[in-house]
Amino acid sequence: AQSVAQPEDQVNVAEGNPLTVKCTYSVSGNPYLFWYVQYPNRGLQFLLKYITGDNLVKGSYGFEAEFNKSQTSFHLKKPSALVSDSALYFCAVARPPGDNYGQNFVFGPGTRLSVLP
Amino acid sequence: KAGVTQTPRYLIKTRGQQVTLSCSPISGHRSVSWYQQTPGQGLQFLFEYFSETQRNKGNFPGRFSGRQFSNSRSEMNVSTLELGDSALYLCASSFGANYGYTFGSGTRLTVV
Repeated sequence: AQSVAQPEDQVNVAEGNPLTVKCTYSVSGNPYLFWYVQYPNRGLQFLLKYITGDNLVKGSYGFEAEFNKSQTSFHLKKPSALVSDSALYFCAVARPPGDNYGQNFVFGPGTRLSVLP
Repeated sequence: KAGVTQTPRYLIKTRGQQVTLSCSPISGHRSVSWYQQTPGQGLQFLFEYFSETQRNKGNFPGRFSGRQFSNSRSEMNVSTLELGDSALYLCASSFGANYGYTFGSGTRLTVV
């Protein structure tokens, strides 16, 4: 079964600085990886996904993520953080096609990002 | 196009009561999953439905149940509510897991 780890509960960064939110995963076969963001009292919003192709994936709101197969990581990045980026971020991995057991979509525990003005 | 719609948005129930939450997926999405989110436990998977069949179930007691209708709309039911059931319940729909999920805004359940 697949699993996801987000090693940091909280990330603080100053506005205008680059940000990184870390994610590592474990899955048999090729991974399908996702990042979601959650604002207070709302559902999760899709940011970006990696299925195949270029290791650098660009997504919504200026975010991007870098897939690293050897390190089994999928870190979320943004060159210049905004105060409005402050939210809860979830990394997720989908169950590989053809694998019918276990959760179809596994989330990490979440990382709270605070961007300080 | 319309997103995933969850009703009601907020609900207050008393211990021992039962509750039914509703989820209307995006048109064409046949996979619907439910999650419970609490500050202490994060996102916990409840169950997944596909074409009216429960395909997967998380580690929750039998008080938690769900179903999916032929139009892909889904409901989840919690019987004999406990204080610990207070949470944000999220529904998500998809064409398939590798496409990613679209989430509703959730139902905030408070048990008093």
